[in-house]
Amino acid sequence: KQEVTQIPAALSVPEGENLVLNCSFTDSAIYNLQWFRQDPGKGLTSLLLIQSSQREQTSGRLNASLDKSSGRSTLYIAASQPGDSATYLCAVSNTGNQFYFGTGTSLTVIP
Amino acid sequence: DAGITQSPRHKVTETGTPVTLRCHQTENHRYMYWYRQDPGHGLRLIHYSYGVKDTDKGEVSDGYSVSRSKTEDFLLTLESATSSQTSVYFCAIRKIAGGHSYEQYFGPGTRLTVT
Repeated sequence: KQEVTQIPAALSVPEGENLVLNCSFTDSAIYNLQWFRQDPGKGLTSLLLIQSSQREQTSGRLNASLDKSSGRSTLYIAASQPGDSATYLCAVSNTGNQFYFGTGTSLTVIP
Repeated sequence: DAGITQSPRHKVTETGTPVTLRCHQTENHRYMYWYRQDPGHGLRLIHYSYGVKDTDKGEVSDGYSVSRSKTEDFLLTLESATSSQTSVYFCAIRKIAGGHSYEQYFGPGTRLTVT
């Protein structure tokens, strides 16, 4: 069974700092990896999807990379802002039918 | 948000009572999912559906049943609610993103408390 791990569980940074969130998975035969953001008491918002054939995807200040062979993905956030404070989750799919989630990294950006 | 709604958004019920949560989508996606989210466990799959009347179990399906009689609706039923089923329940759909790549979109969630 696919296991997805996100370390650290919580991260606090000052505003303006660049930061990296990590996601690792045990089975590298994935179809894709997806990064989400979740605000307290809210649902999950899709941020970026990386297909298995891709190495990275970018959206604004966000850049996600994928290294299938090592079972790792990173989400890079440039010039962090207080509005970036949220929990970030990654999810992988091996078959396209089911998705496996990490437990998330809770990010706090301090003004 | 891919046109996903969940009802009710909040519910308090007593142990032993049946509870049904509804997920509704407006875009005719084939795959729909029910997850529960608990502190320390992340999102765990309860059941999913790959078409009308076609469903399969996830990793935490005990105590839950589902039904899908129409493409747009996916129902989750707790036959006899227990306190361990207190959780936030999320519905999701799967979109084809190209090739063998699939993207999930989530509803706003239902907070269920079993007393």
